[in-house]
Amino acid sequence: GDSVTQMQGQVTLSEDDFLFINCTYSTTWYPTLFWYVQYPGEGPQLLLKVTTANNKGISRGFEATYDKRTTSFHLQKASVQESDSAVYYCVLGFWNYAQGLTFGLGTRVSVFP
Amino acid sequence: VTLLEQNPRWRLVPRGQAVNLRCILKNSQYPWMSWYQQDLQKQLQWLFTLRSPGDKEVKSLPGADYLATRVTDTELRLQVANMSQGRTLYCTCSAALQGARDTQYFGPGTRLLVL
Repeated sequence: GDSVTQMQGQVTLSEDDFLFINCTYSTTWYPTLFWYVQYPGEGPQLLLKVTTANNKGISRGFEATYDKRTTSFHLQKASVQESDSAVYYCVLGFWNYAQGLTFGLGTRVSVFP
Repeated sequence: VTLLEQNPRWRLVPRGQAVNLRCILKNSQYPWMSWYQQDLQKQLQWLFTLRSPGDKEVKSLPGADYLATRVTDTELRLQVANMSQGRTLYCTCSAALQGARDTQYFGPGTRLLVL
């Protein structure tokens, strides 16, 4: 079946540090790749989306790069702020709506001033 | 702009009792509605996607049984039964112009705790 792997369960940073979250996936289909972010007490919200036709997505200072050869989809930000503290999910989406979205386990990012 | 309203926002559920949740769509441009569960470890899992009034689906997962119903074009319901562990249920909506590759918008969630 389809799966998403986020090896980092938790990342602790100071403001202005560089953030990098690694994600790999496995599927026999052609997915669209998402990063969703969840702030405390809220539902998840889309951070950015990348299709397999283009290799990169950028939003709100975050950048995600897709590598078809290694089936990886990394998220990075050059300089984090305390307001970036949240849980970040790597997610697969497919054409067939009956499959829903497939979520990774999430990476909790804590940024301290 | 809030696309989805969920109620109740939280509920204490006596063990063995069922609970009914509602989700109201505020913008008809996003008619594909779904339910997702988030367990206590924050793992998110898709449950159902229902498009048309009258659509119903059931599913049993570890820790709970679910019955979802699309009541109207703007209302989605979920009955949760036999829940053994707490969880949060999220309603989502999407335009689905590209199937599940479209952005899904999540509601604020309903948190369920087992008594």
